[in-house]
Amino acid sequence: QQQVKQSPQSLIVQKGGISIINCAYENTAFDYFPWYQQFPGKGPALLIAIRPDVSEKKEGRFTISFNKSAKQFSLHIMDSQPGDSATYFCAAERMEYGNKLVFGAGTILRVKS
Amino acid sequence: GAVVSQHPSRVICKSGTSVKIECRSLDFQATTMFWYRQFPKKSLMLMATSNEGSKATYEQGVEKDKFLINHASLTLSTLTVTSAHPEDSSFYICSVRGQGADEAFFGQGTRLTVV
Repeated sequence: QQQVKQSPQSLIVQKGGISIINCAYENTAFDYFPWYQQFPGKGPALLIAIRPDVSEKKEGRFTISFNKSAKQFSLHIMDSQPGDSATYFCAAERMEYGNKLVFGAGTILRVKS
Repeated sequence: GAVVSQHPSRVICKSGTSVKIECRSLDFQATTMFWYRQFPKKSLMLMATSNEGSKATYEQGVEKDKFLINHASLTLSTLTVTSAHPEDSSFYICSVRGQGADEAFFGQGTRLTVV
């Protein structure tokens, strides 16, 4: 029940295209859903996060879509750029439960120029 | 966001020796710090959670005597890998969080190689 399932494992997108990464969770008690971007040899950095009281959040080229009934959330990267090439992790947590993030397996994104 | 400094960024040590990794929160009072381990092309695996001034809580399967965690202040936590062996080689990442805060801030990671 603690798992967060992320897909696809890897993704290749043309420059200017839309990158879409999906995550699904089981634990309905989760109430915070962040996405992290990680470059090789670096720690993860928060991209964008959402709480279940909204269905969509947009920050620049990054959008989270959240479907509470389906227990799914996704990251959309609009106008994808080569500099977006990185590994992306979704995560979820139950804020009151020791603030422990449960991470998805990660998606390696490559944007071709 | 908070600046988290992790040191060293890379370390090579001989099998049987101990290695200490520092995680500093430079501009943020981190009531909780987390230590993760990451294998190549894999996700982050939580090793332990520590709150300032108290003992760390280790995840199942993580040897607390091998991975010593000290969270002595609101800005510093250390992870000591004792009697390191080649299988301990990995990427170790710390994360900090303020009380009641949503966002977790991550260090840049430490690449440990045990030879």
